[in-house]
Amino acid sequence: SQQGEEDPQALSIQEGENATMNCSYKTSINNLQWYRQNSGRGLVHLILIRSNEREKHSGRLRVTLDTSKKSSSLLITASRAADTASYFCATDESYKYIFGTGTRLKVLA
Amino acid sequence: ETGVTQSPTHLIKTRGQQVTLRCSSQSGHNTVSWYQQALGQGPQFIFQYYREEENGRGNFPPRFSGLQFPNYSSELNVNALELDDSALYLCASSFGQGANTGELFFGEGSRLTVL
Repeated sequence: SQQGEEDPQALSIQEGENATMNCSYKTSINNLQWYRQNSGRGLVHLILIRSNEREKHSGRLRVTLDTSKKSSSLLITASRAADTASYFCATDESYKYIFGTGTRLKVLA
Repeated sequence: ETGVTQSPTHLIKTRGQQVTLRCSSQSGHNTVSWYQQALGQGPQFIFQYYREEENGRGNFPPRFSGLQFPNYSSELNVNALELDDSALYLCASSFGQGANTGELFFGEGSRLTVL
């Protein structure tokens, strides 16, 4: 089962533009994480935000969390061609992390 | 590089066969989680091992089984392979128990094709 649903499913932007992707989830969480996956490879952790946090920054990444709406957003500023990848949110559910369906981001040079 | 290694990277099997996938976790990590990722989908949780015990299981049939060894490396075994088992199998290591382990460190995956 998928706990999170990312939106949009696919996003195509020009290099230098900002990319925003959203994640909605269904049950209460302790924390939410964002991961990146280059085509057919392993996932790489980007950022973790706890349920008592509203916003977190890491380099060009900005993550927000709204627990009342059960949603999160990932903003990538000044995108680069190397940011082309799939991005997944993951929420904790008891003993495991549940991943969403992902947003496929394509950054055009 | 996460320090998590998986083998083999690619393999092809036929329906009904059995497969064993292996994962070496990052040094210092005592928890291993396995995920199945079908093409174009997000990773689906199979099960988690903590200190050699199964700590939780997703919605997968019993023909999916696993082991964790004293050095915290792990195996995923799938019996009676079906065509729908074709997927990328991902291993993730972490420290601690359950979802409070925080960041997951993933290997590059084992791509299984069932013909």
